[in-house]
Amino acid sequence: ILNVEQSPQSLHVQEGDSTNFTCSFPSSNFYALHWYRWETAKSPEALFVMTLNGDEKKKGRISATLNTKEGYSYLYIKGSQPEDSATYLCAFDNAGNMLTFGGGTRLMVKP
Amino acid sequence: GAVVSQHPSWVICKSGTSVKIECRSLDFQATTMFWYRQFPKQSLMLMATSNEGSKATYEQGVEKDKFLINHASLTLSTLTVTSAHPEDSSFYICSARQDGGSPLHFGNGTRLTVT
Repeated sequence: ILNVEQSPQSLHVQEGDSTNFTCSFPSSNFYALHWYRWETAKSPEALFVMTLNGDEKKKGRISATLNTKEGYSYLYIKGSQPEDSATYLCAFDNAGNMLTFGGGTRLMVKP
Repeated sequence: GAVVSQHPSWVICKSGTSVKIECRSLDFQATTMFWYRQFPKQSLMLMATSNEGSKATYEQGVEKDKFLINHASLTLSTLTVTSAHPEDSSFYICSARQDGGSPLHFGNGTRLTVT
C-alpha cells in the first residue's frame, strides 16, 4: 500500500493570510504528482500535474513545488480569500493506472 | 475543458435493490476510469480501476461481486451496486483520464441512500 500523506488535516486562516501545506509520497516509481481542489458539493478540479524534480507551477495565487528525491510537494496560497476554502488533495501517480490520494487538507478562510 | 458526466446525482432505494451508476467522458476518450467511495469526513477511497475492454482491478477489501464495474467503451463506465444494503449508503464518484500522467476529470458524484 502506497503511503501518501498530507498535513495538516485542516487549517483555519484569516482572509489575506498566505498559507501552505504538504504532501509526502514515496520517492520510488514516481511518475507524477497531482493536486486537486475539492469544494463542497462540487467535483474535484485539477490544479496541477507535476512531473519533474524541482518543478514549480503557478495558477493565480496558488503555486506548488515538487521534490521527487525526498518525496514531498508543497502547495502555497498567497493572500487567501474565502473562496479558497476547500479540501486540497494530492495524488501520487506511478503511471500504473492508479492514483493514490492523500487524506486531503481542509482549508477554511475566514473573512 | 474535459467533462465527465455522472448519473444519477442522487438515488434512494430499498434494501435489496440493485443500482447502476453511469460515468461518461463527454469530449475525450478515457482509457482508464476510476471509481471511488467517500465515507463521511474522509477522503476519496479508490474502489476499482477500469480499463476499456478489460476486467476492472479492485482494491483490497472491495467485493467485486457486490460492486460490478463495466467499461464497455472508451467513453462509458458503469458501477452497479448489487443487492444494496444500508451500509452501502455513501457518496460514489468516478473519474476518467485520457492516458497515464494526464489529470483526472471527475464526475459530480452520486449520493446513494439505501433504506
